[in-house]
Amino acid sequence: DAGVTQSPTHLIKTRGQQVTLRCSPKSGHDTVSWYQQALGQGPQFIFQYYEEEERQRGNFPDRFSGHQYPNYSSELNVNALLLGDSALYLCASSPGQLFEAEAFFGQGTRLTVV
Amino acid sequence: KNEVEQSPQNLTAQEGEFITINCSYSVGISALHWLQQHPGGGIVSLFMLSSGKKKHGRLIATINIQEKHSSLHITASHPRDSAVYICAARESDKIIFGKGTRLHILP
Repeated sequence: DAGVTQSPTHLIKTRGQQVTLRCSPKSGHDTVSWYQQALGQGPQFIFQYYEEEERQRGNFPDRFSGHQYPNYSSELNVNALLLGDSALYLCASSPGQLFEAEAFFGQGTRLTVV
Repeated sequence: KNEVEQSPQNLTAQEGEFITINCSYSVGISALHWLQQHPGGGIVSLFMLSSGKKKHGRLIATINIQEKHSSLHITASHPRDSAVYICAARESDKIIFGKGTRLHILP
């Protein structure tokens, strides 16, 4: 079992561009959640997808959007990138709702906006 | 608004020492998670607690619901325990993370 896989591992984008990050959940997990972690800070919850719908959302602007596919894999899209969007983006999968059971995390995608 | 506070922010100890990391939160929660994050970013879930105490190897986690406080203990600490330890509180449909405690165990 490959666990949670995220791609790409590193990404450099220019301010104003758009980016798509990808996450494949652990086998048997149907819920995917996304987090932003700035340097030296704890992760912050962006949103959760379950049954291909956004179920919960943290305090992030509409520039942050996502999608979940029928195979439970997920994408995080960020439009009109700002310098402040530079962070480690983590994806976690779990069986069922947000953190009701043990969550498994990917290694993250480090996004740098220049 | 639920706040999750961890202490200490940074901790350096000698190999073999008993380590305690604390986490407090301000409103009622349904579960509390302890996570370990190694350099490079990968996060591993250590414990999920809603009451009492759990033990896994040299790691022990406790929670006191009335006092809104949880602790993570490491017995016989080892340099490979060096990592950032994060507590995360689940409140209905939200998950809130602490800023983490950076632990460095010296050989």
